[in-house]
Amino acid sequence: NAGVTQTPKFQVLKTGQSMTLQCAQDMNHNSMYWYRQDPGMGLRLIYYSASEGTTDKGEVPNGYNVSRLNKREFSLRLESAAPSQTSVYFCASSELGVRQPQHFGDGTRLSIL
Amino acid sequence: AQTVTQSQPEMSVQEAETVTLSCTYDTSENNYYLFWYKQPPSRQMILVIRQEAYKQQNATENRFSVNFQKAAKSFSLKISDSQLGDTAMYFCAFIITGNQFYFGTGTSLTVIP
Repeated sequence: NAGVTQTPKFQVLKTGQSMTLQCAQDMNHNSMYWYRQDPGMGLRLIYYSASEGTTDKGEVPNGYNVSRLNKREFSLRLESAAPSQTSVYFCASSELGVRQPQHFGDGTRLSIL
Repeated sequence: AQTVTQSQPEMSVQEAETVTLSCTYDTSENNYYLFWYKQPPSRQMILVIRQEAYKQQNATENRFSVNFQKAAKSFSLKISDSQLGDTAMYFCAFIITGNQFYFGTGTSLTVIP
């Protein structure tokens, strides 16, 4: 089925480790997003990419980097994981205006020990 | 503080009938977008309909329409001619332009054959 694919679904890291969350969409959408979801905080935008080759900071970009590898793929990297980055991460894509996601992935549950 | 309230945790409707899902929100901002997302069982969350707060005309998308009452901070979703494929969790959300996404806790809708 068409949609947004996130990998991995679960991950446990130690403080200081690095990792990359992968996201791919097959709907030919221009815009892609990374959000984190914490209890009582809603979804907070980390980074977004309005089109291939461009990326911009969202509300909570510190500690993260992103790469828009091509139109399909948008990865999120934690260079040195911290316990404060324990969260559920969602990737999304859209053909609508900026910061209006249409289609969300299943999420990645990340725990930093 | 920004909040979204969906007061109906579960609802059911007979196939071909009409159902209305309620949503209220709270914000002191004047410019924002409102959304209804649908998450079918074991499937990804996708956008159903959206409304810009500055537009007075209610948005419609085929069998889905909204009743947006800005002064009352109410944003209900009406589904006409309900179909079995409408069975899903429905989330109301809003975003203050450029900032955090706020989601309600969801309404589980079951369409009964």
